[in-house]
Order: sequence, then structure tokens, then C-alpha cells
Amino acid sequence: EADIYQTPRYLVIGTGKKITLECSQTMGHDKMYWYQQDPGMELHLIHYSYGVNSTEKGDLSSESTVSRIRTEHFPLTLESARPSHTSQYLCASSESSKAFFGQGTRLTVV
Amino acid sequence: KQEVTQIPAALSVPEGENLVLNCSFTDSAIYNLQWFRQDPGKGLTSLLLIQSSQREQTSGRLNASLDKSSGRSTLYIAASQPGDSATYLCAVRPNQAGTALIFGKGTTLSVSS
Repeated sequence: EADIYQTPRYLVIGTGKKITLECSQTMGHDKMYWYQQDPGMELHLIHYSYGVNSTEKGDLSSESTVSRIRTEHFPLTLESARPSHTSQYLCASSESSKAFFGQGTRLTVV
Repeated sequence: KQEVTQIPAALSVPEGENLVLNCSFTDSAIYNLQWFRQDPGKGLTSLLLIQSSQREQTSGRLNASLDKSSGRSTLYIAASQPGDSATYLCAVRPNQAGTALIFGKGTTLSVSS
């Protein structure tokens, strides 16, 4: 149903590395979101965008940054990964009512 | 600040049972409520979306109800199957279209054959 894609699905990376998690959607949605989810915990909003060149920080403090140069693309970047960044990252897009999620990226920082 | 609570945190039932998952939220001023399913290590699959003006939505063996004034929603699963085993998440959208969803911690369901 949903045409929203995240890559990579799994990533193991060393401390201090720069990484970019990719998220793309083909539905033409203006609104896109990044959530972080730790095991057994609720999803926490870390970034969102209401359109091209619009980005905002969410409720959960995050050391990541995002960009929105094209409607369909909303990448998340960690400049210097740390073990505390180990988590699952979920991207979503939304029309006015319904939200669609990607399959997530499980990031492990060693 | 809106908070979403789901009870129970975990539930184990034998195949064929009907069951109810509960979701409560503290601020009744919501735009809509969405139920999702999440399989281990995967993303979220939307199950049902209830607009604030609606009382319930049905899809196959699933029925979701919404009582906005009391801040509650239930997800009813009829004739449960082992394939229903997953974590079920409830999320509310505050009272503006397009604003980010606020999630509960979920109910992890296990259906044994």
C-alpha cells in the first residue's frame, strides 16, 4: 500500500563515523517525519518537515540533522555516530489524515 | 501535553479468541486516531484510521471504536489467528491536519495455535 522506502534496512557502524539514513516517498506528500524507537518503547518524533526547505526538530532531542530539498526525499544525517545512537529509525509521510511508514533502519553503533 | 497509554502491555491468547486492546489519551482535542501493526524489526502497517467525527471503523476481523469525550479507543480483533501475533500501536493526531502522530507504547499480542 505505502510507497515509502528507507535504506539501508540494517547498518552497523563504528563510533565517530558520519552516516546518512535515506527516506523516499512517491506519493507526493508534503509532510514527512522521522521517529526514533527503542525496543519496547513508544516512537518519539525527532524531526519533521511540512514541505520543501521546511524542517523542524521534534519532541525528542536528537543530534541528527535533516534536509528537504525535494518533496520526495527526506534524509537524516548523523555527523559523528555514538553508541547512544543505536536505535531503530522510522520515516513516515502523511497526507492530511493518514500516515504511512517505511520499514525502518536499525542502526547499531559499535 | 498529550499522552497515549495502551493497556495491556502484553497479551497471550489461544487461537480463535476474540480480544480487545485498549488505548487512552489525555487530551480529547484530536484530529484523528490511527491503529498500526508492527512486526518485530519492521516498520508500521496502518490498520484503521478513525476521524474525530467518527465512532468506529471496520476492516475484516478488526473493529476500532473511538470515544473522544472520554479519551478512549478500542481495537477489537475477532477470531484471532497466529498470524495476528504482533505489536499493536495506537497513535493520535493533535487537532490539526498533518501534525505529527503521538504514539502509545503498544500492546504485544501472541496468539498460540
